[in-house]
Amino acid sequence: DTGVSQDPRHKITKRGQNVTFRCDPISEHNRLYWYRQTLGQGPEFLTYFQNEAQLEKSRLLSDRFSAERPKGSFSTLEIQRTEQGDSAMYLCASSLVGIGKSFREQYFGPGTRLTVT
Amino acid sequence: DAKTTQPPSMDCAEGRAANLPCNHSTISGNEYVYWYRQIHSQGPQYIIHGLKNNETNEMASLIITEDRKSSTLILPHATLRDTAVYYCIPNAGGTSYGKLTFGQGTILTVHP
Repeated sequence: DTGVSQDPRHKITKRGQNVTFRCDPISEHNRLYWYRQTLGQGPEFLTYFQNEAQLEKSRLLSDRFSAERPKGSFSTLEIQRTEQGDSAMYLCASSLVGIGKSFREQYFGPGTRLTVT
Repeated sequence: DAKTTQPPSMDCAEGRAANLPCNHSTISGNEYVYWYRQIHSQGPQYIIHGLKNNETNEMASLIITEDRKSSTLILPHATLRDTAVYYCIPNAGGTSYGKLTFGQGTILTVHP
């Protein structure tokens, strides 16, 4: 257990439905990342936050995807109008960065496995 | 980010050293080399990182060639629990340290 939790762990939904995932990072961590991983591939970066500010979004993050971190603590990732191609593991990670802290590793949660039927 | 080349799979006997190579010939001067691993059905786990000097921690050792174009992760006494996908990831690090760019990695299988 890394201290990063994700909920739910598994989600099965029908094409066209909306889904929302939650990530709770390690409490003192100011950075939070979302990644997506499909079978047999390495994780792909989606977006990251520093506190509540979303600093970077991948081109993989289509208009149907939105992420928030409203109070700089937990984060949600919503997928609207799901498609079969959205089926993947969605991973959340957190880290602590700041002045004088040149490196901090990312701690990953266990992921949410999404299956779109 | 620099491109990496890793062997798709490797085998190792339990108790022996596992040496996992990574080629990162296009790495830039300010990019560190990070290693993560992912055990089946879990999120990735940080192992070690380095810039140009060899590094060692409680999990592994990292050997970086003098020209920095390649590196080797060494697990000195592999156990069955070390069976995982190992990723070599160049990254600029620092306070701008953001996204990790994972490649295909190396599937390491440790057998009894």
